[in-house]
Amino acid sequence: GQQVMQIPQYQHVQEGEDFTTYCNSSTTLSNIQWYKQRPGGHPVFLIQLVKSGEVKKQKRLTFQFGEAKKNSSLHITATQTTDVGTYFCAGGNTGNQFYFGTGTSLTVIP
Amino acid sequence: GAVVSQHPSRVICKSGTSVKIECRSLDFQATTMFWYRQFPKQSLMLMATSNEGSKATYEQGVEKDKFLINHASLTLSTLTVTSAHPEDSSFYICSVRGTSWDTQYFGPGTRLTVL
Repeated sequence: GQQVMQIPQYQHVQEGEDFTTYCNSSTTLSNIQWYKQRPGGHPVFLIQLVKSGEVKKQKRLTFQFGEAKKNSSLHITATQTTDVGTYFCAGGNTGNQFYFGTGTSLTVIP
Repeated sequence: GAVVSQHPSRVICKSGTSVKIECRSLDFQATTMFWYRQFPKQSLMLMATSNEGSKATYEQGVEKDKFLINHASLTLSTLTVTSAHPEDSSFYICSVRGTSWDTQYFGPGTRLTVL
């Protein structure tokens, strides 16, 4: 079946440092979504990327979809304590089903 | 975006009993809903796609006779965990796909503990 891996599994950064999580799929994706989940909460949709090589920005967050549509990244500039949580990518197939990556847990040290 | 509710938020049951979890789309008619399971500190695993008025589509490895899904209306899908065992203890989350199919809205989840 479809496998979506993320690295790193955990990341601790000082407040103000940048953070990047990488997502890799074993198969070519139709699209990819990114989510943030706070401890004890449910995933909150951040963005969807569809086009090969697409780059989207949301304030301090930059999302990128690889040219081969098999990998993606999320970069956060100048992290803040409010960025704490687990970030998941979710790869979509042609059947509009999404398979979540393994997640990256971000801790921001004040 | 769509507002999705789940009931109950927490349930504790004895081994061998069945538990029903409801997922409601409060402000949006959802022909398709999705059910996920999440174990502690792990990712979300897609269990099944729930289609209104038809049979659910289950992912490989998910027992359809154990996890019964009913999507009887455009606003309600139910997941029944039959003859629950401790290994079924998990966080069950449903989601609704947005009209433009580029967003997905999750319910708050149901924490199931089987003793």
